[in-house]
Amino acid sequence: GAGVSQSPSNKVTEKGKDVELRCDPISGHTALYWYRQSLGQGLEFLIYFQGNSAPDKSGLPSDRFSAERTGGSVSTLTIQRTQQEDSAVYLCASSSQGVIGEQYFGPGTRLTVT
Amino acid sequence: QQQVKQSPQSLIVQKGGISIINCAYENTAFDYFPWYQQFPGKGPALLIAIRPDVSEKKEGRFTISFNKSAKQFSLHIMDSQPGDSATYFCAASENSGTYKYIFGTGTRLKVLA
Repeated sequence: GAGVSQSPSNKVTEKGKDVELRCDPISGHTALYWYRQSLGQGLEFLIYFQGNSAPDKSGLPSDRFSAERTGGSVSTLTIQRTQQEDSAVYLCASSSQGVIGEQYFGPGTRLTVT
Repeated sequence: QQQVKQSPQSLIVQKGGISIINCAYENTAFDYFPWYQQFPGKGPALLIAIRPDVSEKKEGRFTISFNKSAKQFSLHIMDSQPGDSATYFCAASENSGTYKYIFGTGTRLKVLA
């Protein structure tokens, strides 16, 4: 079946612009995660959704970062007023509550802020 | 407390050899320990995972060894192949309701032909 998909695969933006990154989880997966992968910080958790609610936003680095999920499916991560330190690969993962713990990752969106 | 320490940072192994990557943790509430394989330009792919009620899990050439008392776990790749050349991440999560992962820093493995 289809895996986790993310779009765009690459995004280059100017400092100060807003960007939206999209994640389509595996059909039927109720849990959705966003992670960030950068050279200096490794893979770090950003936010967790269960259905449409986000009970854990503890990894969002600043209030410029926000995310939403609609219909228990697609999620959008928005970064406002992008900074150069936001440059990273943003990864989305989804998980089925029937198999606790296993997360399946998408290919990521590589964000470059110039 | 939330860290997962991974070593080595990089590893070079001859074809047919055994690759060993180690991880250590402090948080005793962690109860799920997956290993991910990542090729350049791709997302991490789940390789194998273990829970603390067993000391070893084997899937094909990949084995996880788990030492609960030492709070350590390791990935062994038997008969390493050039196609195994990738970056490997260990991770841990706790049964807190979110199951978010805390990742190790990654090991870049190169298997020489």
